[in-house]
Amino acid sequence: KQEVTQIPAALSVPEGENLVLNCSFTDSAIYNLQWFRQDPGKGLTSLLLIQSSQREQTSGRLNASLDKSSGRSTLYIAASQPGDSATYLCAVEVGDKFYFGSGTKLNVKP
Amino acid sequence: EPEVTQTPSHQVTQMGQEVILRCVPISNHLYFYWYRQILGQKVEFLVSFYNNEISEKSEIFDDQFSVERPDGSNFTLKIRSTKLEDSAMYFCASSEARGPTGRVFGPGTRLTVL
Repeated sequence: KQEVTQIPAALSVPEGENLVLNCSFTDSAIYNLQWFRQDPGKGLTSLLLIQSSQREQTSGRLNASLDKSSGRSTLYIAASQPGDSATYLCAVEVGDKFYFGSGTKLNVKP
Repeated sequence: EPEVTQTPSHQVTQMGQEVILRCVPISNHLYFYWYRQILGQKVEFLVSFYNNEISEKSEIFDDQFSVERPDGSNFTLKIRSTKLEDSAMYFCASSEARGPTGRVFGPGTRLTVL
């Protein structure tokens, strides 16, 4: 069974820092990997989708990489802002199933 | 940008009652899903639905749960006799295809069972 792990569980940084969130998965036979943002009590907002044949995707200050062979993905956030404070989830798609990590709770201090 | 919508946003019910959670997926999407997130826990897959039938379901999706696409736009999750442990946020999602297109999630319905 696919297991998705995210490290760290929580992160607190001052505004302006660049930061890296990590995601690892146990089975490399994935269709794609998706990073989401979740604000408290809210839904899931898709940030980036990396297909299994791709190595990275970029959107604004966000860059996500994927190394299928090692079962790892990283989400890089440049020049963090207080508005980036949220929980960041990664999920891998295997067939019809989507396996989520527990998330990294990010707090960016002004 | 097209969105997945869900109603209601919050549902409170008594244990043993039936609830129906509603979702309107994106109109040209063909695959539909339900997930749940118990407070403080991971988002968990419940069921996937394609071509008017369940294509895959998890161990959580037992006989108390059912899904339906009653018309061309709605996708519903029914819980026949709710239990306290069914209290969670329920997310609907849809996708255009398997694999490369990813999933679009709705805002969720918070179900509270008293």
